[in-house]
Amino acid sequence: DGGITQSPKYLFRKEGQNVTLSCEQNLNHDAMYWYRQDPGQGLRLIYYSQIVNDFQKGDIAEGYSVSREKKESFPLTVTSAQKNPTAFYLCASSIDGTSGSRTQYFGPGTRLLVL
Amino acid sequence: KQEVTQIPAALSVPEGENLVLNCSFTDSAIYNLQWFRQDPGKGLTSLLLIQSSQREQTSGRLNASLDKSSGRSTLYIAASQPGDSATYLCAVRGNAGNMLTFGGGTRLMVKP
Repeated sequence: DGGITQSPKYLFRKEGQNVTLSCEQNLNHDAMYWYRQDPGQGLRLIYYSQIVNDFQKGDIAEGYSVSREKKESFPLTVTSAQKNPTAFYLCASSIDGTSGSRTQYFGPGTRLLVL
Repeated sequence: KQEVTQIPAALSVPEGENLVLNCSFTDSAIYNLQWFRQDPGKGLTSLLLIQSSQREQTSGRLNASLDKSSGRSTLYIAASQPGDSATYLCAVRGNAGNMLTFGGGTRLMVKP
């Protein structure tokens, strides 16, 4: 089965704690993306990566960090600097990051809650 | 900066109705526009993608139109069914890179 997997489905964070959300794809896509979705709102771009070992900030990167050591994996760390982390986090990938005709495919999401 | 707005934010209709969802964007210099469906607590599924040079795309009971000059797109759903109940999001891609700007979505409920 080809697709994008995200884990865990639910994640709880304590004050001052860093947590990491996993995103894996076996679609052989070059580009990967992280979005944040707040209730009743659209998606906002956190970080994106067009190729291995390279990534760029999106619109709301503060308080987040990423790495792209492997083509298949693009983990997102929510750091203690992110003061309002409660949201639904979606990972996506596309064949490449430059061709505009390429649709993005989305994972099932991770819901992050603060204890 | 591109802004995307979707109206209405929520819509409830009886089964069988034809309906129209609206999406507007502030910067007409787009590469394409895409409509997605999102079920509660789930990821997004792409429904239709319209290139900037196209006027409309159709898939089954769905038809999406694009008027780039006026910054508008509509998603037409024919003969709505309870299974169409979901949130519908539109997103536009600018002329650089593959980053999408999303609207806030329209939450649709089709009652049997």
